[in-house]
Amino acid sequence: DAKTTQPNSMESNEEEPVHLPCNHSTISGTDYIHWYRQLPSQGPEYVIHGLTSNVNNRMASLAIAEDRKSSTLILHRATLRDAAVYYCILPDRGNDMRFGAGTRLTVKP
Amino acid sequence: DTGVSQNPRHKITKRGQNVTFRCDPISEHNRLYWYRQTLGQGPEFLTYFQNEAQLEKSRLLSDRFSAERPKGSFSTLEIQRTEQGDSAMYLCASSVTGTRNTEAFFGQGTRLTVV
Repeated sequence: DAKTTQPNSMESNEEEPVHLPCNHSTISGTDYIHWYRQLPSQGPEYVIHGLTSNVNNRMASLAIAEDRKSSTLILHRATLRDAAVYYCILPDRGNDMRFGAGTRLTVKP
Repeated sequence: DTGVSQNPRHKITKRGQNVTFRCDPISEHNRLYWYRQTLGQGPEFLTYFQNEAQLEKSRLLSDRFSAERPKGSFSTLEIQRTEQGDSAMYLCASSVTGTRNTEAFFGQGTRLTVV
């Protein structure tokens, strides 16, 4: 299974952009890159996913490096409600998702 | 649709007792997953179903654990002879197909405390 590496924690100020990095140097050509987040005391929730091209949705943007060995989740204006653990995941050939420790994002008012 | 529903939300049990959790996925979702999460860790994969067939089980799923999805709809996870190490949040998720190119929807989880 392709593995991902994320920083343990990051801090951001409210209403500023946040760039959450993820390294996945062993990614294969058909691996999709998924991001989920987990707010305190809740189950994980889907944020965004992509294959090669950058992706945008109402929650965030996903920037994928040209060689696909890294990606960045971009929150354009962080709010206090964005404080969560963010997981970068590459679902394996079995189509199940293996979570790492993720990045704990703290948003300061 | 109300999303993935898990019951109970909290369960306290004495060591050695059996417990059963239920997960109701989003209707018409073929895939159903079980995860376990301990404090400060990411969710750990336990098992998943494609309709009623259990397709993969993690090594974490000891003989004391059993999961079923009898009619391809709801699922149950049973833990026999609970141990204190079983204390964790048990999460269920469902998806239309495999999660490679689609999103999974998670329930709120069942928090198990073994005393």
